[in-house]
Formats: sequence, structure tokens, C-alpha cells
Amino acid sequence: DIQMTQSPSSLSASVGDRVTITCRASQTITTYLNWYQQKPGKAPKLLIYAASSLLSEVPSRFSGSGSGTDFTLTISSLQPEDFATYYCQQSFTSPYTFGQGTKLEI
Amino acid sequence: QVQLVQSGPEVKKPGASVKVSCKASGYTFTSHGFSWVRQAPGQGLEWMGYIGVYNGNTMYAPKFQDKVTLTTDTSTTTAYMEMRGLTSDDTAVYYCARWWHGGDYWGQGTLVTVSS
Repeated sequence: DIQMTQSPSSLSASVGDRVTITCRASQTITTYLNWYQQKPGKAPKLLIYAASSLLSEVPSRFSGSGSGTDFTLTISSLQPEDFATYYCQQSFTSPYTFGQGTKLEI
Repeated sequence: QVQLVQSGPEVKKPGASVKVSCKASGYTFTSHGFSWVRQAPGQGLEWMGYIGVYNGNTMYAPKFQDKVTLTTDTSTTTAYMEMRGLTSDDTAVYYCARWWHGGDYWGQGTLVTVSS
């Protein structure tokens, strides 16, 4: 199985901050990398697919980059509604493993 | 609009089976497959498997290969996840997700509690 490792596991930040979350794959996944946001008690929400493609309804302050084994999710200016847990997931090969999550806190 | 509505919470005894449904609406059912993902209390997301609606092809994570069966019913636009041999470790919220590059629409989740 491909292992996905996110860092940091948790992050304290303030409204307006620029935040970067990193995801590393144990082997190359080209750009088959998705980013999700999950709020407590809710289903995950897909933000970015194919490493850098933003879903149409997702605010442009979110961006993704990377290829091969190293990827980043950046939030350019944190808003109150962005405090949540973020997960990366590889869809290069089955099983489509998730990272362990990054909890973004105030 | 696309909606995935899952069946209600379940309480099962160890060794039992459970079947969770995911009723889809608002799009052409055969155009997308489904992934199933679970989340144990306070834990992260765990991908269980995928089923293609058009061709019925399935993929399972190794730990679920002999424990889970994914099916779909095109006549009712419903996807199903059946899990056998339940243990307390299977206590979790189970989600279905329409698969398009990633899971672009998700059900609300179904809590399955396994307790004697």
C-alpha cells in the first residue's frame, strides 16, 4: 500500500494567516492527489483533485501543488470557516489511502 | 442537485452483518462509481473500496477484501455496502462518496455500533 504522511498533524493559526500543509507519498503518485476538508460531525468535502485542480465552488484562497511524492495545500488568508481537519488522499493505485489528517485550530 | 442519502444508524452484536444503503439522486446514476470510506470515533478516514456502477467492477482495500461486499442497484439508484463478521473495531461512521477524480459528493454518514 502507498503510505501518505501529512505534516504537521496539528497547526494553530489566526484569521488572515497563510497556511501550508504538506503531504508526502511513500512512492510516486504523479498528480493523483486529492485534498479534503472535514468539519466535526460532517462528511468530508473535496477541495482539490489532481494535485492542483480546484473544484468550482471552492474559494480561490485554497490552492494545491506538487507532483511525484511531495504535495502542498496552501490557504492564502485563513477565514473563520477554514478551521477544520484536512486530509490528503492518493488515487493513483488501490487502496486509495488517506493521510492521517491535519487539524487546523485557532 | 446531486444528493446521496444513507440509511440510518445501526447497532449490531459481534459476529453479525450490516448492510448500509446510499440512495443517489440528481444525476445519471451509471455515470459515476462509488467509494466507501469509514471513520472510527476520533480517528481519520479509511478508504474501504470502490464500485463502478456502469460495469460493476470492484476494488477493495486488502483488509476489507474478505469482509465487505459492494453492490449497486441501478433500478433504485442505490449503492450498498455489506460488512460481515463485525467486531468492536468496526464501530465507525460509514460514508458513501460519488467518485469523480475524488469523492465529489458524500452521503451524510451512517453510524454502525458493534456492541455485545
